[in-house]
Amino acid sequence: KAGVTQTPRYLIKTRGQQVTLSCSPISGHRSVSWYQQTPGQGLQFLFEYFSETQRNKGNFPGRFSGRQFSNSRSEMNVSTLELGDSALYLCASSTQYSHGELFFGEGSRLTVL
Amino acid sequence: GENVEQHPSTLSVQEGDSAVIKCTYSDSASNYFPWYKQELGKRPQLIIDIRSNVGEKKDQRIAVTLNKTAKHFSLHITETQPEDSAVYFCAASLNTGNQFYFGTGTSLTVIP
Repeated sequence: KAGVTQTPRYLIKTRGQQVTLSCSPISGHRSVSWYQQTPGQGLQFLFEYFSETQRNKGNFPGRFSGRQFSNSRSEMNVSTLELGDSALYLCASSTQYSHGELFFGEGSRLTVL
Repeated sequence: GENVEQHPSTLSVQEGDSAVIKCTYSDSASNYFPWYKQELGKRPQLIIDIRSNVGEKKDQRIAVTLNKTAKHFSLHITETQPEDSAVYFCAASLNTGNQFYFGTGTSLTVIP
């Protein structure tokens, strides 16, 4: 069974631009969540989707948004990029409705110049 | 929201010794506490978890303890091996769903 796939793996943007990251969960997993990983801050929760509905949202500004499609694939978008948005963005899927094991993708490393 | 603190941030032990990583959480409603291991350049993976109705759970050389009154939980690794070297993250969850609040991580180095 294929794992969680994230694209692109690396990208470089400049301040003010926007970016869209994609995540394909493990087949059959309906829960998809996104985390921002930075040195010293660990993993910070962005949002979680289940069956196309956003169930939970972390404490990030409105520039961060996401969505989930009927095939469970998910995208997250960051608009008006800031230098502080440079991070590894991890997507994770789970087969369980709640408190499930997270299966992480390899991440999309975003650098904002 | 929930706030999870993790200590120490770095830990070095001799091979064969034990390692202990401690986490505290702020919201008494948290009821699920997983631990993830992230090896260098790899994705985090679940190694053990505990629910609030259990005080201790073991899986071979690793164990997790939970003290709900004090709102802290700990990861114990016995007989450490070089392959245990990684960053370990604790997490807590209080909502329905798969929203987790992670600690800032502990970088464990096992010295052969």
